[in-house]
Amino acid sequence: NAGVTQTPKFQVLKTGQSMTLQCAQDMNHEYMSWYRQDPGMGLRLIHYSVGAGITDQGEVPNGYNVSRSTTEDFPLRLLSAAPSQTSVYFCASSYGGREVYNEQFFGPGTRLTVL
Amino acid sequence: LAKTTQPISMDSYEGQEVNITCSHNNIATNDYITWYQQFPSQGPRFIIQGYKTKVTNEVASLFIPADRKSSTLSLPRVSLSDTAVYYCLVGAYTGGGNKLTFGTGTQLKVEL
Repeated sequence: NAGVTQTPKFQVLKTGQSMTLQCAQDMNHEYMSWYRQDPGMGLRLIHYSVGAGITDQGEVPNGYNVSRSTTEDFPLRLLSAAPSQTSVYFCASSYGGREVYNEQFFGPGTRLTVL
Repeated sequence: LAKTTQPISMDSYEGQEVNITCSHNNIATNDYITWYQQFPSQGPRFIIQGYKTKVTNEVASLFIPADRKSSTLSLPRVSLSDTAVYYCLVGAYTGGGNKLTFGTGTQLKVEL
């Protein structure tokens, strides 16, 4: 049981380049989320999904796209990278249950630098 | 969304009990209180969750007064390995419309 996995661990991009951050979970969790964490700050929600085919925006969605074609995978796409997107990105998943807050399981993170 | 307020940092010594208080004055009836721990270069990890009164697990205790406007995470006999950032979250759902925020957390530093 690998839990939540993220690839790559590190990435350097040039301004204007696009890329996809991968996230996968093997716990059959319904909910998945993407967060970014800037130095000295807490995590901010980018996008989330409550199930395959269903996504919605979080607090800071601009510049990012997501899709959820399977329960296991939730990729995050940067359309045209900007230096302001330099951050550590965390993917998380949780069981679901709309009336109960459930523990979120986080991946190890992807450290992205945009030059 | 219930806004939370925590101390920015706390210092302690090994073997001491550490209490971190979180204020959440506008907590809603359905909201739970959840604490996460984050080590450098790692994702946050769930510690404990509660709704009211006291909850205890093998890692920590969570004290919630009757009015639920605050909560206290208690770490017994801390060690150097408890040095981390601790986040207090308040919300009713993991996702699905309830956009939970982590805030800046409390940086706990444990020394010898």
